[in-house]
Amino acid sequence: NAGVTQTPKFQVLKTGQSMTLQCAQDMNHEYMSWYRQDPGMGLRLIHYSVGAGITDQGEVPNGYNVSRSTTEDFPLRLLSAAPSQTSVYFCASSYSGTSGMGGDTQYFGPGTRLTVL
Amino acid sequence: AQSVSQHNHHVILSEAASLELGCNYSYGGTVNLFWYVQYPGQHLQLLLKYFSGDPLVKGIKGFEAEFIKSKFSFNLRKPSVQWSDTAEYFCAVYSSASKIIFGSGTRLSIRP
Repeated sequence: NAGVTQTPKFQVLKTGQSMTLQCAQDMNHEYMSWYRQDPGMGLRLIHYSVGAGITDQGEVPNGYNVSRSTTEDFPLRLLSAAPSQTSVYFCASSYSGTSGMGGDTQYFGPGTRLTVL
Repeated sequence: AQSVSQHNHHVILSEAASLELGCNYSYGGTVNLFWYVQYPGQHLQLLLKYFSGDPLVKGIKGFEAEFIKSKFSFNLRKPSVQWSDTAEYFCAVYSSASKIIFGSGTRLSIRP
């Protein structure tokens, strides 16, 4: 199993550009999520999905879009990049269980380091 | 709104010293509690978790954590740290009200 994979590892954008961060998992997990990690702020939930075709907003969703057309893939789209979106982005997946999204062990990807100039 | 506090931002210890990292949260209802660790250059991974039952839980690599409901705390402990424990440690709290909330993290540096 590759687990959770993310591409690219690094990306530099100019303000106003758009891009898609890719995330895929091969563990047949129902739950997937996107976080951003900023110094001194831990991980903050951007968007999440509890299954194909179902997405919802997390704590910091503005400026980002997601879709979930398959169980395996959960891309994150930056519509018009801003310097405030400079961060490290992590994708995670987990089994669905008796708890909601985040209530059980999450498996994280290696992260994408994004810089917006 | 629910919050998770990790008051120690950077902890520096010598090898064989004992470790305790604090984690406090604000939600009064039922919670699931986690400690995740990020070793240099590696993915975040689960260290241990608590859902119910014995409030003292054991994780990988000799770590343990104690859930004290009255203090809203879930502190991480290890009796004797090793250089390989150098990492960033994140406490996380799940509730049905707020989903998953992570603390700001504690960077642990071990002097060989």
